[in-house]
Amino acid sequence: EAGVAQSPRYKIIEKRQSVAFWCNPISGHATLYWYQQILGQGPKLLIQFQNNGVVDDSQLPKDRFSAERLKGVDSTLKIQPAKLEDSAVYLCASSLGLQQPQHFGDGTRLSIL
Amino acid sequence: AQSVTQLDSQVPVFEEAPVELRCNYSSSVSVYLFWYVQYPNQGLQLLLKYLSGSTLVESINGFEAEFNKSQTSFHLRKPSVHISDTAEYFCAVSDPGGGNKLTFGTGTQLKVEL
Repeated sequence: EAGVAQSPRYKIIEKRQSVAFWCNPISGHATLYWYQQILGQGPKLLIQFQNNGVVDDSQLPKDRFSAERLKGVDSTLKIQPAKLEDSAVYLCASSLGLQQPQHFGDGTRLSIL
Repeated sequence: AQSVTQLDSQVPVFEEAPVELRCNYSSSVSVYLFWYVQYPNQGLQLLLKYLSGSTLVESINGFEAEFNKSQTSFHLRKPSVHISDTAEYFCAVSDPGGGNKLTFGTGTQLKVEL
């Protein structure tokens, strides 16, 4: 089966610009996750969707980050405006449902100049 | 709140030698435990998991981990490593009643040398 698809793989922007990432989960997976992985750290959950509803966004910096999963399939994560500390790899994962193993995409590496 | 501690940021080891990557967790509730592996410029791949039952779990490529509730540990071991095992390894926990949210440790870089 096809894995979790993410694009772009790499993105370089200047601080205060905006950026968007796209994720297409494995077909049939109801749960979708966005993680932020800063260099030298483990991934940190930003937001979790169950179908098109938000399950957990407690660690999402809502003043600058937003995410949506309008039709319960693919998802976009946006940062506006970007700060230097947002430089990280953004990982998308999906699972069949809650309490099911998470499958990760290859991530988008974001560099802020 | 849950947390995971991986004390070793880097572990160098020679090929065919045994290795142990340490993981300790803190939680006020029962947990599920996981090990993920990340190769350069790739996402994370599930290596093995403990949900319930036997405390010793094994992966298909020779790794094993043992859940020790009294020591709140879930160390990863392999009796003989290969060059291809060079990667970053992350330990993670989740709360069975908490919606499948994973809390990761900071990772251990395993470097296998000839």
